[in-house]
Amino acid sequence: EAQVTQNPRYLITVTGKKLTVTCSQNMNHEYMSWYRQDPGLGLRQIYYSMNVEVTDKGDVPEGYKVSRKEKRNFPLILESPSPNQTSLYFCASSFYQGQTQYFGPGTRLLVL
Amino acid sequence: QQQVKQSPQSLIVQKGGISIINCAYENTAFDYFPWYQQFPGKGPALLIAIRPDVSEKKEGRFTISFNKSAKQFSLHIMDSQPGDSATYFCAAAYYSGTSYGKLTFGQGTILTVHP
Repeated sequence: EAQVTQNPRYLITVTGKKLTVTCSQNMNHEYMSWYRQDPGLGLRQIYYSMNVEVTDKGDVPEGYKVSRKEKRNFPLILESPSPNQTSLYFCASSFYQGQTQYFGPGTRLLVL
Repeated sequence: QQQVKQSPQSLIVQKGGISIINCAYENTAFDYFPWYQQFPGKGPALLIAIRPDVSEKKEGRFTISFNKSAKQFSLHIMDSQPGDSATYFCAAAYYSGTSYGKLTFGQGTILTVHP
């Protein structure tokens, strides 16, 4: 089944404790992206990757890191999480930028 | 100029009614306008999309209306059903001649359809 998977689905952590949210897709998509969803603000892009080893900042990259060492995986790293990073995070992929995005199920993060 | 403004933020409709969600944009280079539907606990999924060479696109009970001169597009859900209750996002992207730019999403509309 074609899908985007994210882990974990729910995460509670404390300020400053490094965490990684994994994302994997099995559709051989070149483009992958991370979004955060907050009430009233919609979906805001954090980082994106056009292909392996090619990543760039989105609209709200501060406090986040990403890597794209393999085509299928695009982990999101929070080196030192803060409470304002409490949010619902989505990974998405598509064949190319601007095309139909396939979203993962989301990761709900609470930073205390 | 990259913004897409969506309204209303929330919408309550009775079963059988028409739901209308509006989006406005500034960047006249946008030429791809999709709508995404998100059910609780799920990621958004493409619902329907339009390009500016047509003024309307219909798929079942869902219709996109596009007004290029006003730089607005809207989603109409006819005969709204409780199963349509979800969050809806409009989005826009532009084509540079060789590739598409990123999708810019609206703020989202929470639709509730009462039985």
